[in-house]
Amino acid sequence: DSGVTQTPKHLITATGQRVTLRCSPRSGDLSVYWYQQSLDQGLQFLIQYYNGEERAKGNILERFSAQQFPDLHSELNLSSLELGDSALYFCASSDAPNTEAFFGQGTRLTVV
Amino acid sequence: AQTVTQSQPEMSVQEAETVTLSCTYDTSESDYYLFWYKQPPSRQMILVIRQEAYKQQNATENRFSVNFQKAAKSFSLKISDSQLGDAAMYFCAYRSYSTDKLIFGTGTRLQVFP
Repeated sequence: DSGVTQTPKHLITATGQRVTLRCSPRSGDLSVYWYQQSLDQGLQFLIQYYNGEERAKGNILERFSAQQFPDLHSELNLSSLELGDSALYFCASSDAPNTEAFFGQGTRLTVV
Repeated sequence: AQTVTQSQPEMSVQEAETVTLSCTYDTSESDYYLFWYKQPPSRQMILVIRQEAYKQQNATENRFSVNFQKAAKSFSLKISDSQLGDAAMYFCAYRSYSTDKLIFGTGTRLQVFP
């Protein structure tokens, strides 16, 4: 158990819909990262937050948004969903650049 | 912008043999960290080994070791005495010290044959 909790584990939804993925980082970790992993692909960096502030942005679509709350949990919002958004979405957290980033078990999103 | 390249989509090794996975990266920063993560079929991301760029000594964790060549921007992973449980996707990752951004390569799928 990495200490990073992602909910839900699985999500099936229809095209055009909106979903929210939730991540609770390890206790004390200020940095939260979001990644998208399509089938047999690498991890695409989406966005990073540090202590509530957006720190870095990757290839995140305009239909996607995220935030980190005062209690440090984070949410990734995906709207106007398309079939191609079906993927495993990972959240990771860490407390410093020189330490390991711990990953949650991911949310598997299927858009039908 | 930093990039991480893994040029070997797939590798295979016989049980008990040694295999080396390649990784190169591009950065203009002098302070950073490099990691190898393993992703077994369960899809869980597991840290294998990490290297601080300011350290000249190559990191070692049991059967896993790295060959870190800072000038060449190369960071390869050597797995010795390969075991069936080593079969997985392996991702090389770069982490900026200044921005804390963590980016991954495209991965190498390692197969281990008995």
